[in-house]
Amino acid sequence: DAMVIQNPRYQVTQFGKPVTLSCSQTLNHNVMYWYQQKSSQAPKLLFHYYDKDFNNEADTPDNFQSRRPNTSFCFLDIRSPGLGDAAMYLCATSRVGTGSEKLFFGSGTQLSVL
Amino acid sequence: GQQLNQSPQSMFIQEGEDVSMNCTSSSIFNTWLWYKQDPGEGPVLLIALYKAGELTSNGRLTAQFGITRKDSFLNISASIPSDVGIYFCAQGAQKLVFGQGTRLTINP
Repeated sequence: DAMVIQNPRYQVTQFGKPVTLSCSQTLNHNVMYWYQQKSSQAPKLLFHYYDKDFNNEADTPDNFQSRRPNTSFCFLDIRSPGLGDAAMYLCATSRVGTGSEKLFFGSGTQLSVL
Repeated sequence: GQQLNQSPQSMFIQEGEDVSMNCTSSSIFNTWLWYKQDPGEGPVLLIALYKAGELTSNGRLTAQFGITRKDSFLNISASIPSDVGIYFCAQGAQKLVFGQGTRLTINP
């Protein structure tokens, strides 16, 4: 089945130790998103790629970076994780340009920072 | 920026009861989406609405795009235990903004 796959499901890192989360999709969608979701809160958009064009949200900390080497893969890099970065990180995709802005989400990566 | 106000924040109901939740927006967009999120999982799309006044059903779920284009509601009829979770409304063009969610708890 076509889907959005996130690895790993659970990631534990140490304070200040760089970590990379990965996302892949088989939907051939042109847009990929990274959302951060803290406990009992709504998902908050960090950035998205429209094809190869990177679009950062104004309030996304510089500590968060992203790479999209090809249509199928997108990575979230946290350069120096702090305790406040512990959260669920959600990858999503959509096919913009068809008149439908439906987002399809992966199962998320739960990040713990020790 | 765009803000979505979703209510209620939480609901505690008995199995078999009907549920209603709503969302209002500070902006007008052409789409309303409703998602459900189970614990430890990503949100799953339930219903998508694309024009004012549209009423769409998905099984026991019904959602409507308000005439003013600034509000939407989601109804769940005859709730069952697997309806438990957090329901989010969402809106936007190219990128979505989410409401704060309605946490649904069902007492058997």
